[in-house]
Amino acid sequence: QKEVEQNSGPLSVPEGAIASLNCTYSDRGSQSFFWYRQYSGKSPELIMSIYSNGDKEDGRFTAQLNKASQYVSLLIRDSQPSDSATYLCAVNLNTGGFKTIFGAGTRLFVKA
Amino acid sequence: KAGVTQTPRYLIKTRGQQVTLSCSPISGHRSVSWYQQTPGQGLQFLFEYFSETQRNKGNFPGRFSGRQFSNSRSEMNVSTLELGDSALYLCASSLSGFDTEAFFGQGTRLTVV
Repeated sequence: QKEVEQNSGPLSVPEGAIASLNCTYSDRGSQSFFWYRQYSGKSPELIMSIYSNGDKEDGRFTAQLNKASQYVSLLIRDSQPSDSATYLCAVNLNTGGFKTIFGAGTRLFVKA
Repeated sequence: KAGVTQTPRYLIKTRGQQVTLSCSPISGHRSVSWYQQTPGQGLQFLFEYFSETQRNKGNFPGRFSGRQFSNSRSEMNVSTLELGDSALYLCASSLSGFDTEAFFGQGTRLTVV
């Protein structure tokens, strides 16, 4: 089992719709979770961090965390063509020393 | 506030050579992590440094090494380059590593020919 798993997509949504991106992780002791956005040819850019169960909202983005199910998601409301990118889920693992592990990413296309 | 700076941005090297990449973290950040990104493997963790100490290492051969200086700047070195080492190398800095947000530099694109 991979440490952090994401559906590679591509996920295609129409402009104005809600895009839902999902991620599962294997280390039950993980405490910190992050979503990054990466445009083609660019480096990853931090969008959201979440540390507690429940929802965290920031503008059009909502991160959701369920530690019991080892599941974290990102919702993008009112999706725009400029949201088209690869979204990376990242989890801090504390086992054997600190490291942040990234999922393979989900490619999102927002159609105008 | 300056972001994470990686140099050089692009490199072309020949098989068998060695290369050194540099990363200057955001001021005040003491943790630097290095990643290799390729189309097939995604972002792979190389190692993480905090206060000049390597705290963790990913599953890469010993040809990949790194270090961190007292000013938190970090370097990574790849010796005896192979074609498969062609990738985008990214560093990310954070305040302490644990439970803190990390910010990426623009990366160094390494091509091995």
